[in-house]
Amino acid sequence: DAKTTQPPSMDCAEGRAANLPCNHSTISGNEYVYWYRQIHSQGPQYIIHGLKNNETNEMASLIITEDRKSSTLILPHATLRDTAVYYCIAHRDDKIIFGKGTRLHILP
Amino acid sequence: DADVTQTPRNRITKTGKRIMLECSQTKGHDRMYWYRQDPGLGLRLIYYSFDVKDINKGEISDGYSVSRQAQAKFSLSLESAIPNQTALYFCATSGLVQGRWHTGELFFGEGSRLTVL
Repeated sequence: DAKTTQPPSMDCAEGRAANLPCNHSTISGNEYVYWYRQIHSQGPQYIIHGLKNNETNEMASLIITEDRKSSTLILPHATLRDTAVYYCIAHRDDKIIFGKGTRLHILP
Repeated sequence: DADVTQTPRNRITKTGKRIMLECSQTKGHDRMYWYRQDPGLGLRLIYYSFDVKDINKGEISDGYSVSRQAQAKFSLSLESAIPNQTALYFCATSGLVQGRWHTGELFFGEGSRLTVL
């Protein structure tokens, strides 16, 4: 699995878009980019994933650069309930390794 | 009922005791995982299993063992617990998604908090 790099923490004002970056420069052609979030000590929750095209669902949007070496998770209108640790993972089918993620603070 | 169930949810034990954490799932997934989380850190993979006859070590398997009793059950054992195994443990599952050639997202249990005194 490709190693991912994320900033340890970020702040975002409530109601604004939260843009969380992730670098995965060693990603291979068949590895997907997955995003999860963990609220407090709950089990991580799946958000979205993609291969090379941008993706959108009811929770977020995922923008993957053309060279696939980085991606951005976008929460379009952040609320206080989006305060969590966000994990970016690149994997195909093998063991799934989490990094330390980005702790997102939503400011009222 | 939760799709991925972990028992016990909380356990306090003493150094040297044998502990088993159990995980069962109703999602019909082939793949199951055990992760450990320490305060302020991300999740670290202990063991994973792609089917009943397949067991693989993860990042931090020393001091742990697992058993895949059935497709739906994956247990984690600490043969002789030590204080630095105090942590929050998560079980997760994933499965091949129909029409796709890769495994889908992970589904996590609610976690088992283990304290070793």
